[in-house]
Amino acid sequence: KNQVEQSPQSLIILEGKNCTLQCNYTVSPFSNLRWYKQDTGRGPVSLTIMTFSENTKSNGRYTATLDADTKQSSLHITASQLSDSASYICVVSPGSNYKLTFGKGTLLTVNP
Amino acid sequence: NAGVTQTPKFQVLKTGQSMTLQCAQDMNHEYMSWYRQDPGMGLRLIHYSVGAGITDQGEVPNGYNVSRSTTEDFPLRLLSAAPSQTSVYFCASSYKGTGIWTEAFFGQGTRLTVV
Repeated sequence: KNQVEQSPQSLIILEGKNCTLQCNYTVSPFSNLRWYKQDTGRGPVSLTIMTFSENTKSNGRYTATLDADTKQSSLHITASQLSDSASYICVVSPGSNYKLTFGKGTLLTVNP
Repeated sequence: NAGVTQTPKFQVLKTGQSMTLQCAQDMNHEYMSWYRQDPGMGLRLIHYSVGAGITDQGEVPNGYNVSRSTTEDFPLRLLSAAPSQTSVYFCASSYKGTGIWTEAFFGQGTRLTVV
């Protein structure tokens, strides 16, 4: 069964600190992996999308890594801000958008 | 561009009532889909469409109908609302880039409560 597991479930950090969120997947076949940010009461917004040939991709203070061999990805947030408080969702695609597998998300809280 | 627009934002229904959740996109995306998001679970696909006139079922289609008469609109119909359909519903759209599908663009969600 295709699965996407995210850890930790929740995380609290102080403003200015870095953090790393993890995503392990068992989806096959694999085409690309996406990270989304979902603010409370809002729809998910795409942060990065990586194919199997990409190891690292950055979007401002967000850097995603992908190891297609071990089927692991991470999202690193540098110099966190209060506005980073949100749920971060890992999504894996086998190549078509109607077969996406969503993780349950990591709830990040950034405190002043 | 407004992106993906969902209406209404909030809705309370009584068990057995029917209603339609509206979704419109102005990006000329060929692919549109409906998801539901429940506490402690990842988003689950209800129905999707790869173009006008073409729809198919996702992971949790029971109790829902869709149609796609235009590229822009993809309404979701609840036939006879049940408390188990209390959830947050998201509409999303995307297109096929050079070889792969792009990331999905999501609407703001409709929070539905069935009492």
